[in-house]
Amino acid sequence: DIQMTQSPSTLSAFVGDRVTITCRASQSISSWLAWYQEKPGKAPKLLIYKASSLESGVPSRFSGSGSGTEFTLTISSLQPDDFATYYCQQYKTYYTFGQGTKLEIK
Amino acid sequence: EVQLVESGGGLVQPGGSLRLSCAASAFTFSSYNMNWVRQAPGKGLEWVSYISSSSSTVYYADSVKGRFTISRDNAKNSLYLQMTSLRDEDTAVYYCARGAGIAAPGTSQQDVWGQGTTVTVSS
Repeated sequence: DIQMTQSPSTLSAFVGDRVTITCRASQSISSWLAWYQEKPGKAPKLLIYKASSLESGVPSRFSGSGSGTEFTLTISSLQPDDFATYYCQQYKTYYTFGQGTKLEIK
Repeated sequence: EVQLVESGGGLVQPGGSLRLSCAASAFTFSSYNMNWVRQAPGKGLEWVSYISSSSSTVYYADSVKGRFTISRDNAKNSLYLQMTSLRDEDTAVYYCARGAGIAAPGTSQQDVWGQGTTVTVSS
């Protein structure tokens, strides 16, 4: 099974900050990685797929990079609406989610 | 508007059974692979099961293999999850989620999600 490890688990930042979340796969997944945003009581929302492709309608301040086993999600300038929990997901072999990164307002 | 609406959740005793449904609208349901994903209280997302557009391929997480069965009825634009031998640890919000890409050859990112239905397993 492919394991996904996200870091950090919690991140505190100010509005306007640039933040980066990291996701590591236990084996190479090429670029078969997605990022999701989740808010309490709402369904997860797809942000990035194939490691770096921006889903339609997602603001351009979100970007993804990486391949193989190391991936990052970057938010270039945090907006109030961005404070949420973020998950990476591999879909090379079945699916595995990372444990999540909670982004909090500092 | 593309939409997925889950139903069928509720309170069930350990060892019991429950059938979840997901109604799809505003897209060609028969062309898309579908999934069930769950989230236990205070925990992260966990993929549960996948079914291809034609039902020819199904996958399950090890945690539910042998107990849960995924199925679909393309004529009714509906996805199902039959859950048996339920355990306390199956308590979660269950989401149905669409695999992106028409006639995708396998697993893909999940681009449309329902709002979820809550399953509580407790005596």
